[in-house]
Amino acid sequence: GNSVTQMEGPVTLSEEAFLTINCTYTATGYPSLFWYVQYPGEGLQLLLKATKADDKGSNKGFEATYRKETTSFHLEKGSVQVSDSAVYFCALSGDTGFQKLVFGTGTRLLVSP
Amino acid sequence: DGGITQSPKYLFRKEGQNVTLSCEQNLNHDAMYWYRQDPGQGLRLIYYSQIVNDFQKGDIAEGYSVSREKKESFPLTVTSAQKNPTAFYLCASSDGTGLNIQYFGAGTRLSVL
Repeated sequence: GNSVTQMEGPVTLSEEAFLTINCTYTATGYPSLFWYVQYPGEGLQLLLKATKADDKGSNKGFEATYRKETTSFHLEKGSVQVSDSAVYFCALSGDTGFQKLVFGTGTRLLVSP
Repeated sequence: DGGITQSPKYLFRKEGQNVTLSCEQNLNHDAMYWYRQDPGQGLRLIYYSQIVNDFQKGDIAEGYSVSREKKESFPLTVTSAQKNPTAFYLCASSDGTGLNIQYFGAGTRLSVL
């Protein structure tokens, strides 16, 4: 079945550092890929998405590129802020019929001033 | 404002008691979902509904029940058969077509007294 693997956290960075959170997936066909973000005590918000190979999703300075050859969708940001501290979830949905989301376990990011 | 409302924000359950978590959406979405989130773990799907008067079990349905009598509402009952109910519960909805992006509520934190 479909699955998503994320790097374990927490990831601890200083403000303005470069961020990478790794995400790899296993899926048949051509899944769509997502990054969701969860701020403390809140639900999940869609951060960005990509629907086909080589697509780059971007939002709020975050980017991720759909790499089919390496089955990856790594999240990057050039300069993190304290306000980016949250849990980040990588997820995928399949390409046929009604598709449920499959989530990774989440990666906590802690940014210090 | 369109969105998903979960209530209550915090809920306490006594031994042997059933409790019901509310989820209401005004996004006119056909599909709704319930997830359970435990510390350090990803989201696990409890139940989902693609359309009114229909729902399916997810990965961890034992000890839970749902109903979908109205398009806007998808309440979750945590029954006394669920022996470890302490968790953060998230409700989501989607239009059920195409990319099927899910939108989440702010969650309900359930604890056992």
